[in-house]
This record gives sequence, C-alpha cells and structure tokens, in this order.
Amino acid sequence: DAKTTQPPSMDCAEGRAANLPCNHSTISGNEYVYWYRQIHSQGPQYIIHGLKNNETNEMASLIITEDRKSSTLILPHATLRDTAVYYCIDSKAGNMLTFGGGTRLMVKP
Amino acid sequence: NAGVMQNPRHLVRRRGQEARLRCSPMKGHSHVYWYRQLPEEGLKFMVYLQKENIIDESGMPKERFSAEFPKEGPSILRIQQVVRGDSAAYFCASSLGQGAYNEQFFGPGTRLTVL
Repeated sequence: DAKTTQPPSMDCAEGRAANLPCNHSTISGNEYVYWYRQIHSQGPQYIIHGLKNNETNEMASLIITEDRKSSTLILPHATLRDTAVYYCIDSKAGNMLTFGGGTRLMVKP
Repeated sequence: NAGVMQNPRHLVRRRGQEARLRCSPMKGHSHVYWYRQLPEEGLKFMVYLQKENIIDESGMPKERFSAEFPKEGPSILRIQQVVRGDSAAYFCASSLGQGAYNEQFFGPGTRLTVL
C-alpha cells in the first residue's frame, strides 16, 4: 500500500501555478521523495525527486518541509498538456515504487 | 538517447497461450523494473532485475509469471497460459542504480488483451 496521501483531484487555470501537496508522514531518513505523472494511459513520466533540499528542474520545483513529512510539487505555468494524474512516492534509492491513487490535476482554459 | 523501449505495444492472446513482453532499458541502465496496471487501477510493482539477477520478485504472481534480464538483449516478462485476468498494461522502467541518480524512467507499455 502507498505510504503517501494526496488529494484525489485538483483544478488549475491555464497559465497559473499548480501546487500539488503530498503528505508522507512515515518517510524514513534514507527515502527519497519522487514525483511522477501519468497522462491518460501512457507510461508514467518522471518529474523530479529530492532527499532533503528543495529541487528545481525544467519541468517543476519540489519543496520539501524541514521535517520531510510533506512536500509540494509546483508547476509554475500550467498548460492544458499538464492535465494528468500526479503521484508522489517515498522510496529508497533503487527500490520499487509504490503508486497510490495520486492527484488528478485538471488544467482548465 | 533513446528512452525505454517496449514491444510489442499491443498484444492479443487467447486463453491458454503464452505472452512474451520485451523491454530494452535506456542506454547505460542496468536496472529494470516491471509494473502492471489493471484497468482503472494504479500501477503495481512486479519484479526488479539487474543483469542476470532477480533482485526482488515480491510483486510477481507465483505461478505462470517469470522474468529475466540476460547479459545480452532485452528483459523479458513471460506469462504462460494466460487468463482473462492478465489483461492489463505492463510497464517497464529502467534506472542507473542506487546512487543519487536513481530515478526510474518508464517505457510506453505493452497492452495485453486476453480473449
């Protein structure tokens, strides 16, 4: 079973920032926070991951709280193509990923 | 740099036949993972392999399913005597390893339909 909890769905206006929260209250010290998304029935797409520090790449930013019990994925300027199911996952490096229900993000014009 | 490749993309089998799903990892990746997604459900881990070794098969059904990742060639997920309940999307992922660059990259999947 997934160890993270996410809201089942969110809406975001096109062009605005999408902030997707995740709680991982049982994360252990050597587990990373990973974010993936799945657009329709395609293969999951890696977005970003981090251990302790905030991270940023060309797709998104990841904010991890100091106690690491929660994180937020930020898509700075959401587009219609960002409509997808977003998953946050705690996992040790190299281990399997346990997918929960994710957050279904709907970007609206 | 080509991504993870899977073939076939769609596979139709009749009950009792065998299904062979192939996965070629990204260049330089020696770790392969297989996941299954049943209709309207989330992805479930099946098996984790490194070259010539099964590292974790805790998610794989004990019967009819097997996986290999030979020294040369793609990883193969084999399902013998398929049943209708095996109809699903099967995704393969690969990664560099267990260091900081340990993210898994997924292929497009193989959609198996059992008639």
